[in-house]
Amino acid sequence: DIQMTQSPSSLSASVGDRVTITCQASQDISNYLNWYQQKPGKAPKLLIYDASNLETGVPSRFSGSGSGTDFTFTISSLQPEDIATYYCQQYDILPYSFGQGTKLDIK
Amino acid sequence: EVQLVESGGGLVQPGGSLRLSCVASGFTVSSNYMTWVRQAPGKGLELVSLIYSGGSTYYADSVKGRFTISRHNFKNTLYLQMNSLRAEDTAVYYCARDLRSGFDIWGQGTMVTVSS
Repeated sequence: DIQMTQSPSSLSASVGDRVTITCQASQDISNYLNWYQQKPGKAPKLLIYDASNLETGVPSRFSGSGSGTDFTFTISSLQPEDIATYYCQQYDILPYSFGQGTKLDIK
Repeated sequence: EVQLVESGGGLVQPGGSLRLSCVASGFTVSSNYMTWVRQAPGKGLELVSLIYSGGSTYYADSVKGRFTISRHNFKNTLYLQMNSLRAEDTAVYYCARDLRSGFDIWGQGTMVTVSS
């Protein structure tokens, strides 16, 4: 199985800060990488697909990059409504594994 | 409106069974890849099962032989039959549409608690 390692596991930042989360795959997954946002008590929401493509309706302050084994998710200017847990997911090979999550809160 | 609505969760004793349902609106279940994803309390996300549009299925090793994914085309509904339930199956269960490039539509989730 492919292991997905996210870092950091938690993060505190101020409104307006640039926030970066990384995700590393245990083997090459090309660009088969998605990013999700999950708010407490809610279902996950797809933000970024194919490593760098913004899902329709998602604000442009969210972005993703990377290929192969190393990926980055960025919020260019943190907003209060961005408080959530973020997950990466590989969909190259079953099982489509998720990272362990990065919990983001406001400093 | 495109949405998924799950039901069927609840409290069950170890060794018991439950059937989860996921009713879709705004799109056709049988024309899409559909999944069940679970999240244990305070934990991350785990793909449990997937059914392809052609009918082939996938199961996580942790549920293989105990869970069965299926769909009812006329009712536009996805199911997860869960047998021989264990304490470690306790989780919120979500159904989601798999567009291959991401799980783009999710239900609200249904809680399954396995406890005596």
